[in-house]
Amino acid sequence: GAVVSQHPSRVICKSGTSVKIECRSLDFQATTMFWYRQFPKQSLMLMATSNEGSKATYEQGVEKDKFLINHASLTLSTLTVTSAHPEDSSFYICSARRGGAAEAFFGQGTRLTVV
Amino acid sequence: AQKITQTQPGMFVQEKEAVTLDCTYDTSDPSYGLFWYKQPSSGEMIFLIYQGSYDQQNATEGRYSLNFQKARKSANLVISASQLGDSAMYFCAMREARRDDYGGSQGNLIFGKGTKLSVKP
Repeated sequence: GAVVSQHPSRVICKSGTSVKIECRSLDFQATTMFWYRQFPKQSLMLMATSNEGSKATYEQGVEKDKFLINHASLTLSTLTVTSAHPEDSSFYICSARRGGAAEAFFGQGTRLTVV
Repeated sequence: AQKITQTQPGMFVQEKEAVTLDCTYDTSDPSYGLFWYKQPSSGEMIFLIYQGSYDQQNATEGRYSLNFQKARKSANLVISASQLGDSAMYFCAMREARRDDYGGSQGNLIFGKGTKLSVKP
């Protein structure tokens, strides 16, 4: 299957700082990338959908100014958590989809801890 | 509104036995896709199997098969010959038929709450 690489896998940051998470499709061009958030023992909740070269579409209740998404190329999308607070601590996971393909492939996820 | 329901928070199965994980869905869209993903404790989401709403036959991938009953709106995952490495969370998902401003499909997945499978030696 296709490979999606997400980096970093774990990050600990101080409250008030910003953290950038990268999601790369290594062997295919991802026309669409999705960012999810997963709290412990819960399901994945979609945060936003990003298409290359256009603004991301955010789900209701997700602050676009806090969770900045950039999809500058067909192989890279980034999620920046700005002014992070302890309540932002969570597991963030991206997925990438080729245009027209059925399945989406997921990155390894990033466990963010804000102290 | 579209949704996915997984009613089994946890399941146990003996090694080498088969197990069925339940999934029901709700959608008014005639065209949709159904997926199963495995999430081990490491957190990564591993794609297992896909079933399109117009597919005539049930999908199979190795030890995984999808029991697709369209009239009942169910898409149960069957794992045959369970292995210890199958212990993980399993999520059923449906591709949401959302359209963007230009009428294109966004292709987002919506997930059920998951089932934790434990394989006993």
